[in-house]
Amino acid sequence: QKEVEQNSGPLSVPEGAIASLNCTYSDRVSQSFFWYRQYSGKSPELIMSIYSNGDKEDGRFTAQLNKASQYVSLLIRDSQPSDSATYLCAGRNSGTYKYIFGTGTRLKVLA
Amino acid sequence: EAQVTQNPRYLITVTGKKLTVTCSQNMNHEYMSWYRQDPGLGLRQIYYSMNVEATDKGDVPEGYKVSRKEKRNFPLILESPSPNQTSLYFCASSYRATDLDTQYFGPGTRLTVL
Repeated sequence: QKEVEQNSGPLSVPEGAIASLNCTYSDRVSQSFFWYRQYSGKSPELIMSIYSNGDKEDGRFTAQLNKASQYVSLLIRDSQPSDSATYLCAGRNSGTYKYIFGTGTRLKVLA
Repeated sequence: EAQVTQNPRYLITVTGKKLTVTCSQNMNHEYMSWYRQDPGLGLRQIYYSMNVEATDKGDVPEGYKVSRKEKRNFPLILESPSPNQTSLYFCASSYRATDLDTQYFGPGTRLTVL
């Protein structure tokens, strides 16, 4: 199993819908996670971090962490065409200071 | 303005010709890191540094060297570049490397090795 795994997509949703992006992780990853957004040709930028079980909300974004299932997700409410990007899930390798990124999920929001 | 800068932004070189990609941050961050990004493989960490004179290998360190002589700078050195090092490279920094720390990424360096 890859340490941090994401479906590459593309995930297509209509404008105004909820986009749900998912990430699973292995036992080798510490249970704190970061969601980054990356527009084509640009550098990643942090959207949210989460380290407690449950939900964390910030504006239109909600991160969810389920440690028992080793699953972390990002929900984007009222999706906009400007949300079209690749979303990267990242965690830290347990016991080290190495960061592990998933391969990213490409999101397309259709106007 | 708080930022991470990288130079050059684009580089085309030939196999075996030593090169250095510079990275600098003005946020007094302790943690700095280099990544490469390749289609289908995502971002992979090459090296990281916890502070001055403290560096460690990431997942793909082969063929690369780094140094951290000053807190603000973290250059990436390719002593003898090969075509499989053609990639998009990002430098990143954060205050530390705790679960609460955000990594800030530089604009990227697109390297082509012929």
